[in-house]
Amino acid sequence: DIVMTQAPLSVSVTPGESASISCRSSKSLLHSNGITYVYWYLQKPGKSPQLLIYRMSNLASGVPDRFSGSGSETDFTLKISRVEAEDVGIYYCGQLLENPFTFGSGTKLEIK
Amino acid sequence: QVNLLQSGAALVKPGASVKLSCKASGYTFTDYYIHWVKQSHGKSLEWIGYINPNSGYTNYNEKFKSKATLTVDKSTNTAYMELSRLTSEDSATYYCTEGIVYWGQGVMVTVSS
Repeated sequence: DIVMTQAPLSVSVTPGESASISCRSSKSLLHSNGITYVYWYLQKPGKSPQLLIYRMSNLASGVPDRFSGSGSETDFTLKISRVEAEDVGIYYCGQLLENPFTFGSGTKLEIK
Repeated sequence: QVNLLQSGAALVKPGASVKLSCKASGYTFTDYYIHWVKQSHGKSLEWIGYINPNSGYTNYNEKFKSKATLTVDKSTNTAYMELSRLTSEDSATYYCTEGIVYWGQGVMVTVSS
């Protein structure tokens, strides 16, 4: 199985500042079709996960452009610019390249 | 808008089975795969598998092949997941998700005597 490793475990951010979350996969997530199948989700407290970024760098519908995704074949970054109070929750990266689809262990974002 | 409405919480005895439902609306049900994801309390996400609502084709995570059975009823735009031979390890919140894009509200399954 592809292992997704996230860092840090938690991050505390002052509103208005930026935050970055890293995710590393144990195998390249670049498909031969040129698409990198890494996804980012936010699970707010007591809620279902919501999609933020798909295929490494594409912003999901309705997601503020303060969120952005980037990376290479195995190393990925979610950046949140101008963090707001509503951004608190657990962020997960996931790979949808091959069965079984797998997710990282999560990064908890808190507000200072 | 896309909506996935899951059945209510379940309390089931060890060794029993439970069938969870997920009613889709706001899009063409047969156009997108329905995935199921497990989240144990305080833990990360585990992908169980998906079903193609149009053909009924299923693809499972090997870990859940003998645990979960995915089906659909196209006439009611509803997807189902049956979990069998339940143990305490199966106590978790289960989500259905359309293409792992839109998610249901989740259903908590508690296995206890």
